[in-house]
Amino acid sequence: GEDVEQSLFLSVREGDSSVINCTYTDSSSTYLYWYKQEPGAGLQLLTYIFSNMDMKQDQRLTVLLNKKDKHLSLRIADTQTGDSAIYFCAEWGGSYIPTFGRGTSLIVHP
Amino acid sequence: NAGVTQTPKFQVLKTGQSMTLQCAQDMNHEYMSWYRQDPGMGLRLIHYSVGAGITDQGEVPNGYNVSRSTTEDFPLRLLSAAPSQTSVYFCASSYGQASSTEAFFGQGTRLTVV
Repeated sequence: GEDVEQSLFLSVREGDSSVINCTYTDSSSTYLYWYKQEPGAGLQLLTYIFSNMDMKQDQRLTVLLNKKDKHLSLRIADTQTGDSAIYFCAEWGGSYIPTFGRGTSLIVHP
Repeated sequence: NAGVTQTPKFQVLKTGQSMTLQCAQDMNHEYMSWYRQDPGMGLRLIHYSVGAGITDQGEVPNGYNVSRSTTEDFPLRLLSAAPSQTSVYFCASSYGQASSTEAFFGQGTRLTVV
């Protein structure tokens, strides 16, 4: 079945860039997503990329997709303490429901 | 526009008790799903539904039942609560097939079974 892998933790200093990586196995993935979960809250869509794109930029966020290697990354420029959260990678292709990774906890130090 | 509403937000149960976690959405979404979130395990799919009257099992369905009698509601029933079901439960809904539209999540129900 489909699988989405991401590292569990990332620690960065405020003002640095953060890069969160994700790999997936489903070659029929149509859309790939990044969701953000703040403490005590549900997940909210941060950004998404269509599978025929290789990059998408949205203000401080840059999503890179390497379809050949099935690798997705999320770069947050000028990381702030408010960016501290859990970031989930998800893919959606042939199945009814998106498949989520385990989430990466981003910790931003002042 | 309320989005996805889950009730209750917090619940403590004794082992063996049963209860229903409620989930309602007002966006006329076809797809609804239930996940549990445990530390280090991410989101695990319990059950999902692709429309009224249609449900299917996810990755971890044992100990849970669902039904989908209306488009709006997708309750999750714990038949006989066990400590292993202590978790945070999220309900989500979406329009349907993969698209640029997002899956909307409720705020979660934090369940403790003692």
